[in-house]
Amino acid sequence: AQTVTQSQPEMSVQEAETVTLSCTYDTSESDYYLFWYKQPPSRQMILVIRQEAYKQQNATENRFSVNFQKAAKSFSLKISDSQLGDAAMYFCAFVTNAGKSTFGDGTTLTVKP
Amino acid sequence: DTGVSQNPRHKITKRGQNVTFRCDPISEHNRLYWYRQTLGQGPEFLTYFQNEAQLEKSRLLSDRFSAERPKGSFSTLEIQRTEQGDSAMYLCASRAPLSYNEQFFGPGTRLTVL
Repeated sequence: AQTVTQSQPEMSVQEAETVTLSCTYDTSESDYYLFWYKQPPSRQMILVIRQEAYKQQNATENRFSVNFQKAAKSFSLKISDSQLGDAAMYFCAFVTNAGKSTFGDGTTLTVKP
Repeated sequence: DTGVSQNPRHKITKRGQNVTFRCDPISEHNRLYWYRQTLGQGPEFLTYFQNEAQLEKSRLLSDRFSAERPKGSFSTLEIQRTEQGDSAMYLCASRAPLSYNEQFFGPGTRLTVL
């Protein structure tokens, strides 16, 4: 069984600054995917960024990038130039090839103007 | 087709009643997943389908819970004899074939058991 740990229940960042959200996981599998999802208040979950475990290169999507350390089983999310619209709950998810997902308990991100 | 839809969005019921939720995935998505999310926690996997076949069920899915996807399109999740502990957000997600496991989530059905 997989476990996902997000050790920061809450984080805050000043608008236009950079923030990093932490995620660690535990698995015995070698082939899997890692995702970061964003869940705004009372709104549905949307994908932020995806990383395939077999790829060494860290994924990047515009202002969002990850630091994937497979040996350390670490998968952090960096948000650059933070915007007010980035305020949400962020979930890290471990996903098997079958698509079964294990989520962390989330990090609530507050963006201060 | 604009995304995964779920109905109803909210359901309030009395303990002991049965409830049924519906999920309509994105067209052509062959995999459909159900999750349960309680306040302050991440979603927990319940079950998933590939077309009409239910391939895996979590041990969280007690015998009071049943899910179906009869024609490989929409799915229903039924909870019998609801308990207060069943109060949660029930999320549905779907995935396209040959995708990088990207799941598209619906808005969820919030269940409150009184």
